[in-house]
Amino acid sequence: AIVLNQSPSSIIASQGEKVTITCRASSSISSNYLHWYQQKPGAFPKLVIYSTSYRASGVPSRFSGSGSGTSYSFTISRVEAEDVATYYCQQGSSNPYTFGAGTKLELK
Amino acid sequence: QVKLLQSGAALVKPGASVKMSCKASGYTFTDYWVSWVKQSHGKSLEWIGEIYPNSGATNFNEKFKGKATLTVDKSTSTAYMELSRLTSEDSAIYYCTRDFYYFDYWGQGVMVTVSS
Repeated sequence: AIVLNQSPSSIIASQGEKVTITCRASSSISSNYLHWYQQKPGAFPKLVIYSTSYRASGVPSRFSGSGSGTSYSFTISRVEAEDVATYYCQQGSSNPYTFGAGTKLELK
Repeated sequence: QVKLLQSGAALVKPGASVKMSCKASGYTFTDYWVSWVKQSHGKSLEWIGEIYPNSGATNFNEKFKGKATLTVDKSTSTAYMELSRLTSEDSAIYYCTRDFYYFDYWGQGVMVTVSS
């Protein structure tokens, strides 16, 4: 199975700050198959970025993604209060589809 | 709009089985795979398996073979997952998702508690 190592496991950021999460895969993944989700407390996960860099419908432009091969990143350019959540990367390249352990974003 | 409506929470005894449903609306049910994802309390997400409603074809995470059974009812646009021989390790929230290379729509989740 492809293991996704996400870092950091938690971030404390101020509103307006830029935050970046990295996701490193144990094997190379096509960029078409690396996705990011946001899960707010008590809610189901929501697709934020698909295929490395494409924003899902309705997702603000402050969210972005990049990467290739085994190294991917997810960035919030200016954190807002509503962004408090846990973020997960996910690969759909090979069975079993796997998720990173998550990065919990909190506000300072 | 696309919606996935899951059945309610379940409290089940160890060794028993539980079957949950996921009713899809707002899109052509037979055109997309449906995946199921497990989230244990406070933990990350695990992919269980997927089913293609048009044919009934399935793919499973090896870890969940023998544990999960996936079926669909095309007439009602509903996907089902049955979990068997339940233990405390199966206590979790289970989500169904529309699967199109990525999981673009999610159900609200079913909380399953295994307890005597």
